[in-house]
Amino acid sequence: EDKVVQSPLSLVVHEGDTVTLNCSYEVTNFRSLLWYKQEKKAPTFLFMLTSSGIEKKSGRLSSILDKKELFSILNITATQTGDSAVYLCAVGTNAGKSTFGDGTTLTVKP
Amino acid sequence: EAGVAQSPRYKIIEKRQSVAFWCNPISGHATLYWYQQILGQGPKLLIQFQNNGVVDDSQLPKDRFSAERLKGVDSTLKIQPAKLEDSAVYLCASSSPQGAGNTIYFGEGSWLTVV
Repeated sequence: EDKVVQSPLSLVVHEGDTVTLNCSYEVTNFRSLLWYKQEKKAPTFLFMLTSSGIEKKSGRLSSILDKKELFSILNITATQTGDSAVYLCAVGTNAGKSTFGDGTTLTVKP
Repeated sequence: EAGVAQSPRYKIIEKRQSVAFWCNPISGHATLYWYQQILGQGPKLLIQFQNNGVVDDSQLPKDRFSAERLKGVDSTLKIQPAKLEDSAVYLCASSSPQGAGNTIYFGEGSWLTVV
């Protein structure tokens, strides 16, 4: 059975801090790893990673994949209160199936 | 480009009643998913369609849940009879063909409360 585990489950930081969110996986026929941000509604897409060692970057957010060790990290630098959300990691397979982790709840305090 | 449309946004029903949710995916997206997200958990796949065929329904509680996508475009998810533990957000999502790498686009969800 495909499995995605995220850590930590929750995190509280202050504005300006840097955070690292972790996602490890065990799936058959890995195709891609995706990060989503979920506020009070549906998840919104952040990154898709398919190759090891290539960093994807968007503003203060960046992510990298390690296909040998089967994990990915999502970094957020200079956090802002607007970054408060649940961050979901999902792994897609060649069969077109996606499995989600339970998310990391990030709270950024002013 | 219009996103994934879902309705109703919110529904409160009593246990043992029935409910139906509707989803219209992004135009041209052949793959449609229904996920159940219980508070504090990640989305759990209920059913995946490729056009009007079912690709994966292994986690769909078939004694009470059903879904269809008759014309390969919009879809309905039905729960009958509902149980208290069905209280969740039901997320519909769609993706373009396999070559796009599994990027899934979500609707805003249908929030179900069973009392």
